[in-house]
Amino acid sequence: SQKIEQNSEALNIQEGKTATLTCNYTNYSPAYLQWYRQDPGRGPVFLLLIRENEKEKRKERLKVTFDTTLKQSLFHITASQPADSATYLCALSRARNSGYALNFGKGTSLLVTP
Amino acid sequence: DGGITQSPKYLFRKEGQNVTLSCEQNLNHDAMYWYRQDPGQGLRLIYYSQIVNDFQKGDIAEGYSVSREKKESFPLTVTSAQKNPTAFYLCASSRGGEVWNEQFFGPGTRLTVL
Repeated sequence: SQKIEQNSEALNIQEGKTATLTCNYTNYSPAYLQWYRQDPGRGPVFLLLIRENEKEKRKERLKVTFDTTLKQSLFHITASQPADSATYLCALSRARNSGYALNFGKGTSLLVTP
Repeated sequence: DGGITQSPKYLFRKEGQNVTLSCEQNLNHDAMYWYRQDPGQGLRLIYYSQIVNDFQKGDIAEGYSVSREKKESFPLTVTSAQKNPTAFYLCASSRGGEVWNEQFFGPGTRLTVL
C-alpha cells in the first residue's frame, strides 16, 4: 500500500539556522511530491513541487531534494525566521483514476525561536 | 482577487442533523476536492470532482454527500449517518488534468457536534 511518513516529533531550531524536514514514501511511481505549509486553523498553502526526474528545486530560502532510490524528499529552510514556524506537509499525487487527489503525510511542526 | 472560500468558519451540529458546508472558487479550476483533518492526522480524502456534474468517492465517503452542479461550487453535506463528524474540513481546487498541478485550499470549516 502507499505510505507517506514524516517526522512526528516537532522540530525546534534557532533563528538563522537551517531547518531540514524529511518525507519518506513507498509505492508511488511515478512520484510527484509537493510540500505545503499549514498555519494553525488555516488551510495548507502550496510551496514547492518536485518531480521524479528532478534532484533539487529551489525557491527563495526553500530547497527541496528528491532521492527516488531512497524514496525520500528533504525540505530545507535556510536562514530560518520565527515567521517560518508552522506545520509542513508532504503530499504525493494519486493516479489519474483518482482525480490526481493528494495523499498527505501527518506533517512536521517547526518552531523557530529568536 | 482569485481564490477559494469556505463557509461557515465554525459550525455546530446537533446529533441527527444534516449540515452543508459551502465551497466556492473563482479560479476557473475544473477539479475540486474535500478533505477532512483530525488532530495529529494527515488530510483524508472524502470526495473529489474532476468536472462539472461528476464526482467520485474518496477514502472516507461514508456519511457524506456532495454535488457539482456548477464549476465554481462543490458543497459537502455531512449527514446524520456520519458517526464522528467533529473535524476540520478543507476544500481544495486545482486546474486538473495533470498530475503535477498544485492544489489551492480554502480556509476550512471547523465542525463540532454538540
